[in-house]
Amino acid sequence: EVQLVESGGGLIQPGGSLRLSCAASGFTFSTYEMNWVRQAPGKGLEWVSYIRNSDSTTYYADSVKGRFTISRDNAKSSLYLQMNSLRAEDTAVYYCVRAAGLSSGWSRGSFDSWGQGTLVTVSS
Amino acid sequence: DIVMTQSPDSLAVTLGERATINCKSSQSVLYSSNNKNYLTWYQQKPGQPPKLIIYWASTRESGVPDRFSGSGSGTDFTLTISSLQAEDVAVYYCQQYYTNIPTFGQGTKLEIK
Repeated sequence: EVQLVESGGGLIQPGGSLRLSCAASGFTFSTYEMNWVRQAPGKGLEWVSYIRNSDSTTYYADSVKGRFTISRDNAKSSLYLQMNSLRAEDTAVYYCVRAAGLSSGWSRGSFDSWGQGTLVTVSS
Repeated sequence: DIVMTQSPDSLAVTLGERATINCKSSQSVLYSSNNKNYLTWYQQKPGQPPKLIIYWASTRESGVPDRFSGSGSGTDFTLTISSLQAEDVAVYYCQQYYTNIPTFGQGTKLEIK
């Protein structure tokens, strides 16, 4: 069974830093692209960042570019999100999300497994 | 970035009746190399993470009941639940992944009338 377990959330003051972790199990982590997606309280979903499995190529939403850094450790089956210069608008549940594997050799462009999320609250 | 717009924002349907949710993208999400629309639908129940139900606009994820179907191409898409069940109460999101920056619709809240 695929499991994604996030940790590291909490209450942090504006301007502070936080590092989120995601422990993956039940699948070969090194063969999957991974993402972080967030959801502000009572709001919709916002994709945050992506990291490729093969070469660790990364992409970021404009709202976090230059402040957040995604990384992975395939040996530890773990995904990370380093969040710096946090703002009130970064308050959200952060989900660790697996990109769906290929189908007939093509990307499905979907997220097929989600963790339960970790809440980050940025407030003074 | 591609903007995804869903309609309606909320919907109340009688049990056993059809529910239809629309999603429109600001540009085509049809990938010419494989003729696939990079449009996904998710279901999110209260207190739970989203669940993938439809990808490539019309392909049901394994284990998803066949009362769920997706249609559309290019910029206009529809999620249909043919006979609404009580367990289908949720917020539904569409998402595009045509570019390296995936974007979601604002969500449609589906309730029982």
